[in-house]
Amino acid sequence: AQSVAQPEDQVNVAEGNPLTVKCTYSVSGNPYLFWYVQYPNRGLQFLLKYITGDNLVKGSYGFEAEFNKSQTSFHLKKPSALVSDSALYFCAVRVPYGNNRLAFGKGNQVVVIP
Amino acid sequence: NAGVTQTPKFQVLKTGQSMTLQCAQDMNHEYMSWYRQDPGMGLRLIHYSVGAGITDQGEVPNGYNVSRSTTEDFPLRLLSAAPSQTSVYFCASSQGGGGRETQYFGPGTRLLVL
Repeated sequence: AQSVAQPEDQVNVAEGNPLTVKCTYSVSGNPYLFWYVQYPNRGLQFLLKYITGDNLVKGSYGFEAEFNKSQTSFHLKKPSALVSDSALYFCAVRVPYGNNRLAFGKGNQVVVIP
Repeated sequence: NAGVTQTPKFQVLKTGQSMTLQCAQDMNHEYMSWYRQDPGMGLRLIHYSVGAGITDQGEVPNGYNVSRSTTEDFPLRLLSAAPSQTSVYFCASSQGGGGRETQYFGPGTRLLVL
């Protein structure tokens, strides 16, 4: 069963405009949710996570994400996109059984147009 | 503090050959894992370890072996390479394996099996 869905393959946004990368999840129990970013030919870098508490989570590089339990979503947002934000973004959720592994979405390519 | 390092960066193998992908971390992390990244599929867990001497299978373990003789090192062995193992391989580490922890990723090894 798909644990994480990132419905868009690519997100194009003009520099200075708001950026949203969508993520929905389907796991039982309380979800642990993560966003990672991958720049070309690099490993993944941690952006932010939701474990418990405030539904609005602030992370690195001006990114934030809102946990919405009723919609089972954890969308990543940035108020004003930069060209340097162009990268591949992955949403991940802890699978709460067995080995507590992270299930990753397929990733979203973000292209910020100057 | 080098973080997570991986060698080699790129490797070409012929079908049936064996090789070892190296991974090391200098953060004294207990939990280490190997993922493969394929286009449109996100990252999938191959094997993981919760400490020296302890390893277990992830989502896609077939064709791969691991061992963890020290806290720092977690090599991944391909016993008899197949074209289906063409992928980008990432090693990651975290302080614990409970699912809350941030994972730190290496730069990756790009493997081509002919």
